[in-house]
Amino acid sequence: SAVISQKPSRDICQRGTSLTIQCQVDSQVTMMFWYRQQPGQSLTLIATANQGSEATYESGFVIDKFPISRPNLTFSTLTVSNMSPEDSSIYLCSVESGPGGYNEQFFGPGTRLTVL
Amino acid sequence: AQSVTQLDSQVPVFEEAPVELRCNYSSSVSVYLFWYVQYPNQGLQLLLKYLSGSTLVKGINGFEAEFNKSQTSFHLRKPSVHISDTAEYFCAVSARTGNQFYFGTGTSLTVIP
Repeated sequence: SAVISQKPSRDICQRGTSLTIQCQVDSQVTMMFWYRQQPGQSLTLIATANQGSEATYESGFVIDKFPISRPNLTFSTLTVSNMSPEDSSIYLCSVESGPGGYNEQFFGPGTRLTVL
Repeated sequence: AQSVTQLDSQVPVFEEAPVELRCNYSSSVSVYLFWYVQYPNQGLQLLLKYLSGSTLVKGINGFEAEFNKSQTSFHLRKPSVHISDTAEYFCAVSARTGNQFYFGTGTSLTVIP
């Protein structure tokens, strides 16, 4: 298993500003994922972050809006840039971990973002 | 690609009654199937998973799910619910050869005293 922490746990931000969310894992993992969960909705994958390469973004998400860093095998950041109220969501970090043969994902507690 | 449909957005049930949360998936390749639970203001926690073998999978907190390949379903059941089971439940699928998860829209289970 993997234990994941996120900072901040929640924040209230002004329109037009940016927020960087940190994700820390207690073990080395190859792949880290960033999801968004808008109010009352399911999880949507934003991007996949591999250490040593650029993140891969899903349709509808772009690097300019959601830049991601992955400096090592236990840490990643997601920045929500030039925020608008539509960015108010829970942002979750997850990692793939397991004894091999299948890809179980473990999730962090999430960062609850409110944009005014 | 894969997709997941959770047919019920909200399920109210009385305490100690049985419950079934429905999940259907679509995929052109073999998949792994998962159920996650999200308690209020918390992250997602894995309830159970189907990888292979027996189609009846038992998870934590007394939950179980049955994989039905012909009906492409993976319904979650519990014979007797408790107040503490009130939460959001998400069904998810991933291809056996991939690593991306696809989540359903969630089912909000409310247990009524």
